[in-house]
Amino acid sequence: NAGVTQTPKFRVLKTGQSMTLLCAQDMNHEYMYWYRQDPGMGLRLIHYSVGEGTTAKGEVPDGYNVSRLKKQNFLLGLESAAPSQTSVYFCASGVGLAAQETQYFGPGTRLLVL
Amino acid sequence: QQPVQSPQAVILREGEDAVINCSSSKALYSVHWYRQKHGEAPVFLMILLKGGEQKGHDKISASFNEKKQQSSLYLTASQLSYSGTYFCGTEIADSWGKLQFGAGTQVVVTP
Repeated sequence: NAGVTQTPKFRVLKTGQSMTLLCAQDMNHEYMYWYRQDPGMGLRLIHYSVGEGTTAKGEVPDGYNVSRLKKQNFLLGLESAAPSQTSVYFCASGVGLAAQETQYFGPGTRLLVL
Repeated sequence: QQPVQSPQAVILREGEDAVINCSSSKALYSVHWYRQKHGEAPVFLMILLKGGEQKGHDKISASFNEKKQQSSLYLTASQLSYSGTYFCGTEIADSWGKLQFGAGTQVVVTP
């Protein structure tokens, strides 16, 4: 099993450009999450999904959109990138409530917005 | 609201012990501990549910004081492999399935 994979690993964007980050998991997990990690800030939840076709906002959703068309995939979109979105993005997946099972993290995507 | 971790950083020699604290201003349902090595993804260590239980994983253990809304992670007889940044993630009672992470505690274990 590959676990949780993320594409791409690294990307440089110019302000105003758009892009989509792809997260895929092969563990048949219902829950999927997108976090961003900035120095000294820990992990902050952007959006999450409790199942195929559902999405919900996390702590810092502004400037991002997500889609979960297939159970195994969770896409994070930036419509018009801003320098403030420079960060490391982690996708995670889990089964059921977080209290019952851990979240498994992908390797991360480093995004630089110039 | 983000849980508060302390200390921000700690330097240990191999074999020494350390305690990392995680405090919340809200009632907690569970606390999750992760360790992240530089440039890598966070890796799960353990979950503690409300009820004041204590768990252990090798020489790393944790406690959860529901009344004080805080958890502590204990690194005992530290090894070089314990180096990394430790994060606590808290799940509050009215926010099922979502974790709020602390800013992290950087641990450096030296020979």
